[in-house]
Amino acid sequence: DAGVIQSPRHEVTEMGQEVTLRCKPISGHNSLFWYRQTMMRGLELLIYFNNNVPIDDSGMPEDRFSAKMPNASFSTLKIQPSEPRDSAVYFCASRSSATNQLFFGSGTQLSVL
Amino acid sequence: SQQGEEDPQALSIQEGENATMNCSYKTSINNLQWYRQNSGRGLVHLILIRSNEREKHSGRLRVTLDTSKKSSSLLITASRAADTASYFCATDKGSGNTPLVFGKGTRLSVIA
Repeated sequence: DAGVIQSPRHEVTEMGQEVTLRCKPISGHNSLFWYRQTMMRGLELLIYFNNNVPIDDSGMPEDRFSAKMPNASFSTLKIQPSEPRDSAVYFCASRSSATNQLFFGSGTQLSVL
Repeated sequence: SQQGEEDPQALSIQEGENATMNCSYKTSINNLQWYRQNSGRGLVHLILIRSNEREKHSGRLRVTLDTSKKSSSLLITASRAADTASYFCATDKGSGNTPLVFGKGTRLSVIA
């Protein structure tokens, strides 16, 4: 299995632009999580899905952030418009119902100038 | 908000020494997990300990859990330079599909 796949690995954009981050979870996993990591705040949960349904999005910082999971093999996290304070590493992780262990992607390093 | 807090924030040791990292958490848990993150990579699961367990071993890793003190420790024995990474504890408050909440991690440097 290729593991959790995220794209792009790096994204540099200008303030005000739309940013879309993509994630392909491990096949057969039914939960998907989006986390954001910064030096100041550590690893923060943004939103998670069970069986493609958003369960808790209370960690999404503002209405500028949105996430979708149209099917079991794909999810997106969108920021529109982006701001410099959104600069961080964004991780996607997936988990099967049989275990509590999370499998993380390699992350997207986002820089908003 | 962070559920787990690791201590120390940073740790530097010589190769061959043991490294001990601690984690404290605030609310009741079902299990506690430790993850490792190499620079520029995603987190990788190391070990899970359930709330009814007190100690668990996996290779050079030993994890303890004290639910009365709401604390856990991760011991890496005979450390190697390749163990250099950040280590995070994560707690699962619910059952089944509830998310993990991570601490800010301990940065371990093992000097050859």
